[in-house]
Amino acid sequence: GQNIDQPTEMTATEGAIVQINCTYQTSGFNGLFWYQQHAGEAPTFLSYNVLDGLEEKGRFSSFLSRSKGYSYLLLKELQMKDSASYLCAVSDSNYQLIWGAGTKLIIKP
Amino acid sequence: ETGVTQTPRHLVMGMTNKKSLKCEQHLGHNAMYWYKQSAKKPLELMFVYNFKEQTENNSVPSRFSPECPNSSHLFLHLHTLQPEDSALYLCASSLGTSGDSSYNEQFFGPGTRLTVL
Repeated sequence: GQNIDQPTEMTATEGAIVQINCTYQTSGFNGLFWYQQHAGEAPTFLSYNVLDGLEEKGRFSSFLSRSKGYSYLLLKELQMKDSASYLCAVSDSNYQLIWGAGTKLIIKP
Repeated sequence: ETGVTQTPRHLVMGMTNKKSLKCEQHLGHNAMYWYKQSAKKPLELMFVYNFKEQTENNSVPSRFSPECPNSSHLFLHLHTLQPEDSALYLCASSLGTSGDSSYNEQFFGPGTRLTVL
């Protein structure tokens, strides 16, 4: 079966760095997406990785290792507005997105 | 604003009611999706339409009936729902359903919070 695993909840301090991990087992791989979802709002696109390595975009970076079935989202200089759920999704061999349950990130002052 | 709108934002219905959810995208996309989001569970893909043709139906009960009259509009007709159908229903659109991220990236609407009594 297809499976995406990510921690249910994480807590971090304002100004710090946090890493949210995602491991996956899917039938085929056509890229991995990270989305951010604030409570009561739509998920919004953060990043896309299809090749191994690190993609940096401002305070957010995303890493992929296809051989390990592993990705992480790195958030630097955390701000209170970063409190949200972070969703990992893998595009499988049919380009269908397989979603993780999301990681709720709580930022404390 | 993601360019995808959904109405209504909240809906309370009894098990014998019939209602419809509406989704509209203003992005010129060709693919549209219905998802169900329950607390602490992964997004569940329900239906996919590509160029108005249904391409996916992930074993969704017949009490959910989709309709896609054109590439910009998507409906989800609801009939004799069960309390366990209470959830957030999200609509999304993308340029296509294959290819790199520019084609596959999905843009979501704000969702309809559905409560079935």
